[in-house]
Amino acid sequence: DIQMTQSPSSLSASVGDRVTITCRASQGLGNSVAWYQQKPGEAPKFLLYAASRLESGVPSRFSGSGSGTDYSLTISSLQPGDFATYYCQQYFSFPYTFGQGTKLEIK
Amino acid sequence: QLQLQESGPGQVKPSETLSLTCTVSGGSITSTSYYWGWIRQPPGKGLEWIGSIYYSGSTYYNPSLSLKNRVTISVDTSKNQFSLKLSSVNAADTAVYYCARRVRIVGASGGYFDPWGQGNLVTVSS
Repeated sequence: DIQMTQSPSSLSASVGDRVTITCRASQGLGNSVAWYQQKPGEAPKFLLYAASRLESGVPSRFSGSGSGTDYSLTISSLQPGDFATYYCQQYFSFPYTFGQGTKLEIK
Repeated sequence: QLQLQESGPGQVKPSETLSLTCTVSGGSITSTSYYWGWIRQPPGKGLEWIGSIYYSGSTYYNPSLSLKNRVTISVDTSKNQFSLKLSSVNAADTAVYYCARRVRIVGASGGYFDPWGQGNLVTVSS
C-alpha cells in the first residue's frame, strides 16, 4: 500500500495567516492526489484533485501543488470557516489511502 | 444536486455482520462516469477506504489485514442504492461509515470522492 504522511499533525494559526500542509507519499503518485476538509461532526468535503485542480465553488484562497512524492495544500489567507482537519488522498493505485490528517486550530 | 444517505443499525454485536445501505438521490447510480464507495473513520482517527463498486457490479476492495475477506459491496440499480456488508465484526470496526461517489478521472487509474453522505456511526458492542 502507498503510505501518505501528512505534516504537521496539527497547526495553530490566526485569521489572515498563510498556511501550508504537506503530504509525502511512499512512492511517486503522478499528481493523483486529492485534498479534503472535515469539520467536527461532518463528512469530509472535497477541495481539489490532480494535486492542483480546484473543485468548482471552492474559494481561490485554497491551492494545491506538488509532484512525484511531495504535495501541499496552501490556504493563502485563513478565514474563520477554514479551521478544520485536512486530509490528502492518493488515487494512483489501489488501495486508495489517506493521510492521517492535519488539524488546523485557531491561535 | 446529488445526495447520498446511509442507513442501517447503529450497533452490531461482535462476530455478527454489519449491514449498511446508501441511497442515492438527485442522480442515477448507473452513470458511467462514477463508481460508488464506502469509507470509514474510527472515532478520533483518520479515513480508511473500504471498497468501491460500479453500477455493473464490478467491485474493488481494500485488501488490508483489518478488512481482508470480510467485505461485500453490492448494488441495486432499481432502487438507486448500494450496500456494504462487513462480516465477523469486532471492536476495531467501530467507526463512522460514509458512502460517497467516486469520480472517475480521465487518464488516471482512480479518482476522488465527492459528495459524501453524512455518515452512520456503527458501534460494535455486546
